[in-house]
Formats: sequence, structure tokens, C-alpha cells
Amino acid sequence: QKEVEQDPGPLSVPEGAIVSLNCTYSNSAFQYFMWYRQYSRKGPELLMYTYSSGNKEDGRFTAQVDKSSKYISLFIRDSQPSDSATYLCAMSLNAGNNRKLIWGLGTSLAVNP
Amino acid sequence: DTEVTQTPKHLVMGMTNKKSLKCEQHMGHRAMYWYKQKAKKPPELMFVYSYEKLSINESVPSRFSPECPNSSLLNLHLHALQPEDSALYLCASSPMGGAAGQPQHFGDGTRLSIL
Repeated sequence: QKEVEQDPGPLSVPEGAIVSLNCTYSNSAFQYFMWYRQYSRKGPELLMYTYSSGNKEDGRFTAQVDKSSKYISLFIRDSQPSDSATYLCAMSLNAGNNRKLIWGLGTSLAVNP
Repeated sequence: DTEVTQTPKHLVMGMTNKKSLKCEQHMGHRAMYWYKQKAKKPPELMFVYSYEKLSINESVPSRFSPECPNSSLLNLHLHALQPEDSALYLCASSPMGGAAGQPQHFGDGTRLSIL
């Protein structure tokens, strides 16, 4: 079993739809959770960064962490064609200087006008 | 535009060549990283520098040689690469010496092709 599972898609939605992206994980010691967006031929761009459980909102984006279920989500409201990209979840331990990120495979999203 | 700048954007080299990739950040971050990314895969960690000292080497072949001249610069020296080394090479940085949980910020990478 992989440490982090993420459905690679592709996911195709119409413009204006609410998008839900998810990752599950197996290591209950993960404390920090991140969502990155990666456009074709670009580097990953940090979208959301969350510590432990709870919700975080930034504009049209909401990140949720449910540590009891080992499940994280990213919601995109009023999706736009410019949101078409690959979305990667990543997480890390709270263990001193352990900086290694554990990544999901990434979900490819297409928002159609 | 990202705050981590990588040069060159593209590089084509033969298996006997020596070349270097360069990364620069001016965010005051004290941890810097090299990653390798293949198509449709997540980034794969190669090296971590914390306060200009190499702290993590993920068993990377010696044909890849990192260097951190100062807190803003990170180089990756390449020599005698193989065709399977063709990939997107990403640099990232994070604050506070890269302590656990500090978010990493990525450059746009160097797309490397080995002939």
C-alpha cells in the first residue's frame, strides 16, 4: 500500500462547477498537509498549507484535513479554465528536521469553458 | 513568476558532457532542495541543504554533484549522465532551515534531455 493515494484522473468539469480533489494516507504521524498546483512545463505552486486537522479557506480554494479518517480534500469553487492543471497533495511528519515530503501521484483537472 | 529562479530553462547534453544547473532564491530561506520529476509523476527528492550544509542525499548517483555556495544559491553539477536522467529538475526552498512542516516553494525547473 502506498503511503499516499491520489486518483490521477483525468477529471473533466464544466466552467463554474465545484471541484473536489482528495488524497488518503496511511501514516497517522503526518502532521503537515499541502496542496500544489502544477501547470504544464512549470514547477509546482504551493496553493494551500495546513497543520493537523481542520479547514482552511483562501479565495475560491478550501482545504480540509480529517486526521481521524486519514483523508484530505481540496475544493475549488466556481472553477475556471485557468484552473486546468495537475493538483498534487503532499504531506510531512512533525519530526525534528525531517523535511521529506510524501507526494500523491497528482490529479489532472480540465475545466471546460 | 516564481521567487525561485532556475537556469537554464532547457538543456540538451551528450552523455560525455559536463554541465551545471543553477538555482537562486532571495526569500531568505535557509533550506534548499533538488528534485527530479519524470512525466506524470510527482517530484522525487534528490538533495537537501540546510544552512548551506548537505543534510540529505537520497542515494543519488555520483554523476550528480550538488553545491551550495551561499544561502541564496544552489548548483547541480552534471557529468556523464545517462539517457534515463532526462527529466525536469526542480529546485525548491523553505524557511527556517527546512524544519519539519515548513512549506517548500518551487522554481519552474530545468528540462534536461540527454542524447
